[in-house]
Amino acid sequence: NSKVIQTPRYLVKGQGQKAKMRCIPEKGHPVVFWYQQNKNNEFKFLINFQNQEVLQQIDMTEKRFSAECPSNSPCSLEIQSSEAGDSALYLCASSLLGANTGQLYFGEGSKLTVL
Amino acid sequence: GEQVEQLPSILRVQEGSSASINCTYENSASNYFPWYKQEPGENPKLIIDIRSNMERKQTQGLIVLLDKKAKRFSLHITDTQPGDSAMYFCAAPGSWQLIFGSGTQLTVMP
Repeated sequence: NSKVIQTPRYLVKGQGQKAKMRCIPEKGHPVVFWYQQNKNNEFKFLINFQNQEVLQQIDMTEKRFSAECPSNSPCSLEIQSSEAGDSALYLCASSLLGANTGQLYFGEGSKLTVL
Repeated sequence: GEQVEQLPSILRVQEGSSASINCTYENSASNYFPWYKQEPGENPKLIIDIRSNMERKQTQGLIVLLDKKAKRFSLHITDTQPGDSAMYFCAAPGSWQLIFGSGTQLTVMP
């Protein structure tokens, strides 16, 4: 069973609606990643955090998403105004050491459908 | 460049035979190479990884080879079983994140 907890497993939104997903990383893992996996199974990196600080995010995330990893609260990823192309599986992963040296462990994902 | 190329995209093998998936990467500073297995409707699960100080690693019917000079690494599944049927992804570090290959759909036929 995954130690990275993502909620909700499924969400359905209309275009223009907000869509919010949450992630509790594995205990003791300071690095958190969000990826989008589309229907073609392609992974797109969205943003990552070390503790509460953003390390890197792509342009799309900066413009249309808001994400945070507050201390003592779940991390979250929110699409401000959902578009049809946002329909995908959103995967949160946590790591002890980061991408270059440490293993990433994925949560079960939040599957977003935008109607 | 931070691309990871993965081939083949589709692989069908007979039960009991071996299956091989190959990946190449561009970032010469990469030093960690994981492989993930993803079954339908599930999350990717780490099955084996190799660090750059090794050329070969084996665990439970899985072998990973790393050729740093060629920037190439590969997964070999020996004695495949129907339960090995899944999507497999290789990955290599980019500047801040893991970059994933495009995936290989492996089907093991009884």
